[in-house]
Amino acid sequence: DQQVKQNSPSLSVQEGRISILNCDYTNSMFDYFLWYKKYPAEGPTFLISISSIKDKNEDGRFTVFLNKSAKHLSLHIVPSQPGDSAVYFCAASDRGSQGNLIFGKGTKLSVKP
Amino acid sequence: KAGVTQTPRYLIKTRGQQVTLSCSPISGHRSVSWYQQTPGQGLQFLFEYFSETQRNKGNFPGRFSGRQFSNSRSEMNVSTLELGDSALYLCASMTSGTTDTQYFGPGTRLTVL
Repeated sequence: DQQVKQNSPSLSVQEGRISILNCDYTNSMFDYFLWYKKYPAEGPTFLISISSIKDKNEDGRFTVFLNKSAKHLSLHIVPSQPGDSAVYFCAASDRGSQGNLIFGKGTKLSVKP
Repeated sequence: KAGVTQTPRYLIKTRGQQVTLSCSPISGHRSVSWYQQTPGQGLQFLFEYFSETQRNKGNFPGRFSGRQFSNSRSEMNVSTLELGDSALYLCASMTSGTTDTQYFGPGTRLTVL
């Protein structure tokens, strides 16, 4: 059973607008969440993370929101740029499981000029 | 600081052979995790090493093994290759803790014929 779910396989957004990528999880033991960006045949690139003691973390154009009661997190990209087009993965870990990130299946973001 | 490096980048093997993949972590990082990425299963955790000891292991058969050296470099070995082992193998390093960010290498693309 998937512990981390990204229910939208793809998302298309106009350049300059906001991109919102969503992620749901089922394991209440998860205490650290990350977003990665990935191009085909390359390794994931770390974007932003959030600890379970926070509900928001910002880094430039990227903001991650965490709603623990709903077991939901989202990544906001504002403004979206064509170079943001890639597959975005949500990942989660718990302190009892060293080095093991549980990944969602990814959402392919396309930003149209 | 140099990133995570993996060698080789591409590999073609035949069924029944064995293969060894190598990963050099970011300087100062003592933890190395290995993941398998396939179109059907997504990114799945294989195992994690810290200070030359396997700390955590995913649900893969015993044909998949690894080790870590005193300089934190890690190798992954797959014996008796099967067609289904064709995948992108990624390694990631982090400093040490369970809530540290993992940084990924570019991956090794393994094709089993």
